[in-house]
Amino acid sequence: GNSVTQMEGPVTLSEEAFLTINCTYTATGYPSLFWYVQYPGEGLQLLLKATKADDKGSNKGFEATYRKETTSFHLEKGSVQVSDSAVYFCALGYSSASKIIFGSGTRLSIRP
Amino acid sequence: DVKVTQSSRYLVKRTGEKVFLECVQDMDHENMFWYRQDPGLGLRLIYFSYDVKMKEKGDIPEGYSVSREKKERFSLILESASTNQTSMYLCASSLEGRIAGETQYFGPGTRLLVL
Repeated sequence: GNSVTQMEGPVTLSEEAFLTINCTYTATGYPSLFWYVQYPGEGLQLLLKATKADDKGSNKGFEATYRKETTSFHLEKGSVQVSDSAVYFCALGYSSASKIIFGSGTRLSIRP
Repeated sequence: DVKVTQSSRYLVKRTGEKVFLECVQDMDHENMFWYRQDPGLGLRLIYFSYDVKMKEKGDIPEGYSVSREKKERFSLILESASTNQTSMYLCASSLEGRIAGETQYFGPGTRLLVL
């Protein structure tokens, strides 16, 4: 069946460090891939998405590339800020339905 | 901007009580979803709805029911609350039909404690 596996947290980095959060997926067909972010005390919001192989999603300095050959969608940012502290969810949207499968989430903390 | 609101941010209920969680979206979205969020488990889909009066079970529907009498409102009902239903409940909506790649828009969540 369809599933998403993402890097376990928590991840703690210093401000301006490089960030990678790994995400791999298992799916039949051609899913869409998402990264959602949850800031403290809030619901989830879409950070970026990619709908087909080799697409790159980007937003707020974050990037992720849809790699069909490695079934991956790793999240990266070149220089993190304290305001990036949040929980990040990798997710998969599969064809013939509007449902999304979420990973377990990775908590990111950035030290000043 | 899409706005999804949930009736309460925090709720405390007793075991055996009937609990109603309400969700309203203001963008005429067709799809609405209820999830629960638990540490280490991510989000798990409880129920969803593609249209008024239409509902489908998600991955963990046991102990829950839903109601969608109007397009903008989707209610989650715990018929007889139990302690293992203590969780964060998140409502979401998306624009239309059964399309892959649709962005879901989330409410702020309701943190439910069942004593």
